[in-house]
This record gives sequence, structure tokens and C-alpha cells, in this order.
Amino acid sequence: SQKIEQNSEALNIQEGKTATLTCNYTNYSPAYLQWYRQDPGRGPVFLLLIRENEKEKRKERLKVTFDTTLKQSLFHITASQPADSATYLCAPNPYNQGGKLIFGQGTELSVKP
Amino acid sequence: DTEVTQTPKHLVMGMTNKKSLKCEQHMGHRAMYWYKQKAKKPPELMFVYSYEKLSINESVPSRFSPECPNSSLLNLHLHALQPEDSALYLCASSQDRGARTEAFFGQGTRLTVV
Repeated sequence: SQKIEQNSEALNIQEGKTATLTCNYTNYSPAYLQWYRQDPGRGPVFLLLIRENEKEKRKERLKVTFDTTLKQSLFHITASQPADSATYLCAPNPYNQGGKLIFGQGTELSVKP
Repeated sequence: DTEVTQTPKHLVMGMTNKKSLKCEQHMGHRAMYWYKQKAKKPPELMFVYSYEKLSINESVPSRFSPECPNSSLLNLHLHALQPEDSALYLCASSQDRGARTEAFFGQGTRLTVV
């Protein structure tokens, strides 16, 4: 069956460092992969979308890579700030699943000053 | 306007009550979603509407009944819920269904079943 795995352990890093979050998927080939940020008690907020034919995408301090051979996406936040502390969700979804947008379990990031 | 508005923000209901959650968007999106989220878990997909028609029901119990009266509105009717149904219920919309375009989420309704 299809499976999405993100770092289950919370990630604690120092302000100014680069945070790297991992999203692995098995038993399917997503055509698109999205990353969202979620703060406690609030709805997820879209960050980036990358397509299967794209290796990398950037937006300000954010960078996403998509390796279809390894079945993995990496999400990087450079020059991290305490305000980046949140849970980050990946959503690798195949185009032909009839409209599903399904998330991994999320990784909690804590950036310490 | 890039907002998805959910009402109410909080709801406490008894197991014999009937209540409804409401979701509204004015972005012209044709796909709308209901998710359920428990503490420390990711949002779990319940229903997908595409062009006002139910396209996906993720084997949700019949005590949850979705309705899409028009392209801007999505309701979730609740009846005879159980305490384990207590959760954050999130509504989302996207221009097209699935993962091709970004989804916009509302702030959720925090539901407590007593």
C-alpha cells in the first residue's frame, strides 16, 4: 500500500542554521509534491509545489528537492528563525488519485534563538 | 480574497444532537475538501467535492454527511456523534482537485462531543 514517511522525531536547531526535513514515499509515483506549514490549532498553509519533472524549487529561504529515483523530497529552510518553528507536512500525490490531497505525519521543527 | 472561512470556530455537542459545520470560499475554486485532525496527527481526508459533486468519500461513517449547496459553500452535517469524533475539522479548497494546485485551508472548527 502507499506510504508517506516524514522524520518522526522533532527537529531542534539553532537560529541561523539550515533545517532539512525529509519526506519519503513508497509504492507509488507522485506526479506532484507539496509542502505545507501548520501552526498549533490552525489550518495548514501552502509553501511550495514541485512537479515530478522538476529537481529543485526555491522560494526565498525555502528550497525543495524531488528525487523520483530515491522516492524522496527534501525541504530546506536556510538562515532559520524562531518564527519558522511549526509542523511541516509533505503531500506527495499522484495525479490519477481522483482528487486526493493526502499528507505525511509531519515533522515538528523548533528553532531556538 | 484568498480566505476559506469556517464557522463556528468552536462547537460542543451532545451525542444526540444534530449540528452543521459551514465552509465558504470566494476564490472560484471548484474543488473543496473536508479533513479531520486529531492532536499530533496530520489532517486526515474525509470528503472531496469537485464541481459541486461528491467525488471521494474516504469510508467516512454516515453520521457525517457532507453537502455542497453551491460552488462557494460546503457543509458538514453531524448527527449522533461519538466522543472519539472530537477533533479539529478543517475545510480546504483548490482551483482543481488533487495535488496539481495549492490548497487553501480554513482555520478549522474545534469540535467536542460530550
